[in-house]
Amino acid sequence: QKEVEQNSGPLSVPEGAIASLNCTYSDRGSQSFFWYRQYSGKSPELIMFIYSNGDKEDGRFTAQLNKASQYVSLLIRDSQPSDSATYLCAFSRSYIPTFGRGTSLIVHP
Amino acid sequence: GAVVSQHPSRVICKSGTSVKIECRSLDFQATTMFWYRQFPKQSLMLMATSNEGSKATYEQGVEKDKFLINHASLTLSTLTVTSAHPEDSSFYICSAPTAGGNPYNEQFFGPGTRLTVL
Repeated sequence: QKEVEQNSGPLSVPEGAIASLNCTYSDRGSQSFFWYRQYSGKSPELIMFIYSNGDKEDGRFTAQLNKASQYVSLLIRDSQPSDSATYLCAFSRSYIPTFGRGTSLIVHP
Repeated sequence: GAVVSQHPSRVICKSGTSVKIECRSLDFQATTMFWYRQFPKQSLMLMATSNEGSKATYEQGVEKDKFLINHASLTLSTLTVTSAHPEDSSFYICSAPTAGGNPYNEQFFGPGTRLTVL
């Protein structure tokens, strides 16, 4: 079983819609969870992090964590073409992060 | 946010040569840095954890004699790919957590180095 599972996509949504990205993880000892965005040919940049169960909102982004079910999701409201990128889910138990393969998101006008 | 730089951003070399990549934390001290490799359409694969003042910790399957890591100061870690071969061509990225070994700290990534071995 892979440590972090993400649907590779691509996930295609129209501009203005809500994009929903999901991630499951296998390590119940995971303490912190992160969503990174990676544009083609660039390194990842942090979008959000979440430690506690529930929702965390930051602008158009909402991260949702459910430790009992071992999943974390990212919602992007009012999706824009500039949101088109690969979104990497990551978790860490100690200080070493583990990354999923990423979900490719395409926002079309 | 914290800034991590990498140099060079792109390098092309002949097979058999060695290539050094530098990773610097510009506005914070990093006792730990991580080195990743990413092949096209793949995820980030952790290669090693670089520890200031001590030996690096390599992930399983990563040859420590081929990928030499030196973390000589609190702001600089270097990765040297020795005797590079075409299969070493990849995107190499470093990262640093902003506060040592705290698991709650996010990683700040360098811009990456694209290595092409001919």
